Amino acid sequence: SQQGEEDPQALSIQEGENATMNCSYKTSINNLQWYRQNSGRGLVHLILIRSNEREKHSGRLRVTLDTSKKSSSLLITASRAADTASYFCATPQTGANNLFFGTGTRLTVIP
Amino acid sequence: NAGVMQNPRHLVRRRGQEARLRCSPMKGHSHVYWYRQLPEEGLKFMVYLQKENIIDESGMPKERFSAEFPKEGPSILRIQQVVRGDSAAYFCASSPPIRPGTEAFFGQGTRLTVV
Repeated sequence: SQQGEEDPQALSIQEGENATMNCSYKTSINNLQWYRQNSGRGLVHLILIRSNEREKHSGRLRVTLDTSKKSSSLLITASRAADTASYFCATPQTGANNLFFGTGTRLTVIP
Repeated sequence: NAGVMQNPRHLVRRRGQEARLRCSPMKGHSHVYWYRQLPEEGLKFMVYLQKENIIDESGMPKERFSAEFPKEGPSILRIQQVVRGDSAAYFCASSPPIRPGTEAFFGQGTRLTVV
C-alpha cells in the first residue's frame, strides 16, 4: 500500500506552543501534500512539497521532506486554538492525481 | 468560482435502499475523485473519473457501488441496497487536467447514515 501513516495519532498542546506531526510513506513519490480537516468538514489543502525540495514554509507552517527516509514532518508554530483539527498527509498515485491518505493526527490546542 | 459542491450534506437511508451522492467539480476541473471516510479514520480512495470515463476504480467495492461523470451534470456515486457498513462520510475532490503536483480541492462531504 502506498498509504502514509501519521505519528502521533493524537497530540494535545497549549496555545502558543509548537506542534510537530510526522508522516511516513512507502513508495517513491513526486510530491507530498498536507491537508487539514476540521471536525465534520471537508479537507483543506495546506501545502505541497515536491520530491526535490527539502523544506517549505507557508505562514506558520513548515514542512520538511526526507525522501531517503520516506518521511515528512509538519510543524505549526505558535499554535492557536483555531488550529485544532485533524491533519493528514497524502501522496499521489504515480502518474495520476488520486491521493493516498494517512490515518491522520488529531491536534487539540488548549486555549 | 464556487468550490466543489456536494449534495446532499446529510443522507439517511434504510437498509436495502439506494443512495445517490452528487458532486459538482470546480469550474474548469475535468477530474473527479471520490473518497470514503469512516469515523476516526483517514480517507480511502474509491474511484477516479474524467468526463464520461472511469480512470481508476480500484478502491471501489465490486458490488453495489458505481460512479459516473457524464458529459453534462455532476458526478454521481451510487450505492445500491445500502447496508449499515456503508455509513460513512463520502468526499469528492476535483482537479484540473493531470499535471504532476496538482492539488485537489475537496467538497464538504456527504454524510450517509444507514438505519
